[in-house]
Amino acid sequence: DQQVKQNSPSLSVQEGRISILNCDYTNSMFDYFLWYKKYPAEGPTFLISISSIKDKNEDGRFTVFLNKSAKHLSLHIVPSQPGDSAVYFCAAKGGGSYIPTFGRGTSLIVHP
Amino acid sequence: DGGITQSPKYLFRKEGQNVTLSCEQNLNHDAMYWYRQDPGQGLRLIYYSQIVNDFQKGDIAEGYSVSREKKESFPLTVTSAQKNPTAFYLCASSKYGGSGANVLTFGAGSRLTVL
Repeated sequence: DQQVKQNSPSLSVQEGRISILNCDYTNSMFDYFLWYKKYPAEGPTFLISISSIKDKNEDGRFTVFLNKSAKHLSLHIVPSQPGDSAVYFCAAKGGGSYIPTFGRGTSLIVHP
Repeated sequence: DGGITQSPKYLFRKEGQNVTLSCEQNLNHDAMYWYRQDPGQGLRLIYYSQIVNDFQKGDIAEGYSVSREKKESFPLTVTSAQKNPTAFYLCASSKYGGSGANVLTFGAGSRLTVL
């Protein structure tokens, strides 16, 4: 039973436009949510996180929004660039464990 | 530069053979982890360790073994009991095991192929 779900396996966006990657979770005890970016044949790298007590966190072109009532978070990338093409993993931590639980990932392709 | 080093990057194994994947970190992190990535499956936790000489099973530990004799090292052995070992293996570490976001730093991964 997946506690962290990324229901869109892939997303295609035009360069310069906004990319929105979505993530849903089931455990209301999660206290932190994180996004990682992964290129092929490389390890994931940390992108941005948000605490459950906040509803928005911004870092340059990347913004994460958290809707606790809906158990939903999203990552916005504005403007999207071809170098953003990668697999994005949503992860959540808490509920009595420090081990993050990962979603299955969304493959983002940004077309020039 | 601090980081995590995984080796080998590519490994081929015949059925019935055990193989060991190396993971070394110089970040002075306490916690270390092994994940497996399969297409469409995301990252699944194999084993994790918060301190030296202690480790815990993750979600898919069957057919794998680990050791944590040094803080810097967390090798993973893929045994012949693992039924489907072909995958991309990722080692990670983090500074704190408990509070905060617990951001993981990952190695570059090891691709294991069973022939």
